[in-house]
Amino acid sequence: ETGVTQTPRHLVMGMTNKKSLKCEQHLGHNAMYWYKQSAKKPLELMFVYNFKEQTENNSVPSRFSPECPNSSHLFLHLHTLQPEDSALYLCASSQRLAGAYEQYFGPGTRLTVT
Amino acid sequence: TQLLEQSPQFLSIQEGENLTVYCNSSSVFSSLQWYRQEPGEGPVLLVTVVTGGEVKKLKRLTFQFGDARKDSSLHITAAQPGDTGLYLCAGAKGNYQLIWGAGTKLIIKP
Repeated sequence: ETGVTQTPRHLVMGMTNKKSLKCEQHLGHNAMYWYKQSAKKPLELMFVYNFKEQTENNSVPSRFSPECPNSSHLFLHLHTLQPEDSALYLCASSQRLAGAYEQYFGPGTRLTVT
Repeated sequence: TQLLEQSPQFLSIQEGENLTVYCNSSSVFSSLQWYRQEPGEGPVLLVTVVTGGEVKKLKRLTFQFGDARKDSSLHITAAQPGDTGLYLCAGAKGNYQLIWGAGTKLIIKP
């Protein structure tokens, strides 16, 4: 595997379910990100990790819970989601934590909350 | 609120035509990136522009950063169906966060 991988690619869950999204990067990068992408809206940065430490939580509701066990893996734990949480969730990584560095994105998880 | 406005939101043209998409802001950026996202995939970086007035070319794609580093444009010459995708611009302001535009959805018809 190369680049950034995400699983599952598609997820349908009820509002009372608990599920997790997984991201793995094979690039040796030190920073990892979770983004939410909704149609016709800018990417929303949710969480940022640098060397496994969370550096940013952009006022994300507590029903989203990130976990970064090491620099290569990132999880997003989901529970009691709302229908408006349906979106494409993108994971990205970059060599360093700086805006000018290229971010490498995974293919995303298409989440539908019913 | 820092905004990057992209225009047009949607563009559908015939193969062989030229087009320009724009990315505008009232904020100054230290650099600006353009990404292309194809259906079912994440965004992929096309180019980073850093200097005001800078012009970069990537085959048939020409990117320009405004003199004041507040805006940018992407011009495609002789568009091909393979250029179809969502084009996103993202501005960096010195910290690690990127300010993203909402994107221009481009469809090139054969």
